[in-house]
Amino acid sequence: RKEVEQDPGPFNVPEGATVAFNCTYSNSASQSFFWYRQDCRKEPKLLMSVYSSGNEDGRFTAQLNRASQYISLLIRDSKLSDSATYLCVVRGYNQGGKLIFGQGTELSVKP
Amino acid sequence: GAVVSQHPSRVICKSGTSVKIECRSLDFQATTMFWYRQFPKQSLMLMATSNEGSKATYEQGVEKDKFLINHASLTLSTLTVTSAHPEDSSFYICSATKATGGNQPQHFGDGTRLSIL
Repeated sequence: RKEVEQDPGPFNVPEGATVAFNCTYSNSASQSFFWYRQDCRKEPKLLMSVYSSGNEDGRFTAQLNRASQYISLLIRDSKLSDSATYLCVVRGYNQGGKLIFGQGTELSVKP
Repeated sequence: GAVVSQHPSRVICKSGTSVKIECRSLDFQATTMFWYRQFPKQSLMLMATSNEGSKATYEQGVEKDKFLINHASLTLSTLTVTSAHPEDSSFYICSATKATGGNQPQHFGDGTRLSIL
């Protein structure tokens, strides 16, 4: 079983749609959680950290359920520029900062 | 602006060549840097953790004699792909954090696209 698993893609949605990505992680000792965005042939860029209380940044909302070892990302009113691959990323406690990446979910927003 | 610089961004060379990739933290000291590899349509896979002043820690399945890592200063780590072959063609990315542990995000370099002919 992979340490971090994400919804298979691609997600093809029209502009303005709401789209949700899911992610599960296997190591209950994981302490830090992130969503990264990766554009084609580019490096990943941090979208947002994920906190137990849930957090929102504009159109993006992230949720964490430690009991279920589940992370989600909700994108509202999607824009063409949201088209990218979204990576669920987990870091374990005392692992020296090592990040474990999910395989990514590709999002394509169409006009 | 960028906080981690990676160079070169693109390399095309013949099979058997050794290729060195540099990763620099621009405005902070990074005692630890990370090297990842990403094949097409796959996610980033950690290759090794680069520790300043000591030996790198390699992930399972990564040959340390093939992928030489040197972290000689607090702002520079290098990855050398020795005697590269076509199967080593990939996207190599480094990252660093400004502080250890906690919820500190990692900052990534722009990546190096390596193509071995």
